[in-house]
Amino acid sequence: GESVGLHLPTLSVQEGDNSIINCAYSNSASDYFIWYKQESGKGPQFIIDIRSNMDKRQGQRVTVLLNKTVKHLSLQIAATQPGDSAVYFCAEKGAAGNKLTFGGGTRVLVKP
Amino acid sequence: DAGVIQSPRHEVTEMGQEVTLRCKPISGHDYLFWYRQTMMRGLELLIYFNNNVPIDDSGMPEDRFSAKMPNASFSTLKIQPSEPRDSAVYFCASSYQGTGYTFGSGTRLTVV
Repeated sequence: GESVGLHLPTLSVQEGDNSIINCAYSNSASDYFIWYKQESGKGPQFIIDIRSNMDKRQGQRVTVLLNKTVKHLSLQIAATQPGDSAVYFCAEKGAAGNKLTFGGGTRVLVKP
Repeated sequence: DAGVIQSPRHEVTEMGQEVTLRCKPISGHDYLFWYRQTMMRGLELLIYFNNNVPIDDSGMPEDRFSAKMPNASFSTLKIQPSEPRDSAVYFCASSYQGTGYTFGSGTRLTVV
């Protein structure tokens, strides 16, 4: 089992339903945001990104919403599939420098 | 493109030994990042380079850790001497001008 450490919030969703994963970011000066998906034993995989001059961006089955007023980012996955089961991370990039800072992650479990 | 390539995929070493992790970024990318992932602390940025020059090493835990980027296609992260608390998954990522951040598959390091 897992040892003491980061407690990942878990989202359980029924296959075929929509998923919404939330992220609060810390730096009001961040100008670029990315959502990553990480499956067990693999590196983070790019899903979708958004710049701070936008509030919504859509990809294939995914939508990212950005609310700069409350420093909140969300990822919506339409028609969630078993292959969507993974840990999802949001990452932010500050306006100065190009380093990405990651949030703690959310585990998504898709129930058949 | 083969993506970001890291080696080895797994490394088991005894406490006190030197460990070297390797990374080949995506060709043409001008930024390279080293991250560490643990259950306790999540994904942490250790150091990043721009055009082979170290820009921010504030995340490097201590003097036992060092990183180099002798050319645009190769970087190393060295731990000497290694300690059990260094056990983690180490990721390398690269990007082009602050976009397209792509991660490698990681090196799982176990120090016994």
